[in-house]
Amino acid sequence: DIQMTQSPSSLSASVGDRVTITCRASQSISSYLNWYQQKPGKAPKLLIYAASSLQSGVPSRFSGSGSGTDFTLTISSLQPEDFATYYCQQSYSTPPSFGPGTKVDIK
Amino acid sequence: QVQLVQSGSELKKPGASVKVSCKASGYTFTSYAMNWVRQAPGQGLEWMGWINTNTGNPTYAQGFTGRFVFSLDTSVSTAYLQISSLKAEDTAVYYCATLEAATVTNHNWFDPWGQGTLVTVSS
Repeated sequence: DIQMTQSPSSLSASVGDRVTITCRASQSISSYLNWYQQKPGKAPKLLIYAASSLQSGVPSRFSGSGSGTDFTLTISSLQPEDFATYYCQQSYSTPPSFGPGTKVDIK
Repeated sequence: QVQLVQSGSELKKPGASVKVSCKASGYTFTSYAMNWVRQAPGQGLEWMGWINTNTGNPTYAQGFTGRFVFSLDTSVSTAYLQISSLKAEDTAVYYCATLEAATVTNHNWFDPWGQGTLVTVSS
């Protein structure tokens, strides 16, 4: 099974900051990497699929990059509604697996 | 719009069973596989498996065999998760999610998700 790790596990940032979250796979997964945002008490929401494709309706301040084993989610200018936990997920092989999450909170 | 609506929270005693429903709307139910994901309190997301909505054939992830059963009622566009012999460690939010796939590549992703069903197991 493919193991996913994320760093940092949490971060504190201010509105307007540029935020970068890293996800690493235990083996190469090409571009089979998705990103989700989860707010407390809510279901995860798809942000980015196939490593860099922005899901319809998601603000353009979110972007994804990477391939192989190393991936990045970037929020170019953090907004109040972006405080949440972010998960990466590999879809390269079964079972699909999620990273442990990165919690973004207010500084 | 495409939507998954799950049944409400459940409080069960150890040893009991629970059945969670996930009703789909806004699309042809049999067009997308239905997946189940567990999230224990304060923890991350864990894929439980999926069910082929055309054939009804389920696939269970390791750790979710035996007490967990996925089923369908295509006449009402609804998927079900049944858990038997409940244990305290089954306390979690359970999500259904459809698997959407790219038409040209093999990329796939979970979207949309149901709102989640909290199952609490306590004596």
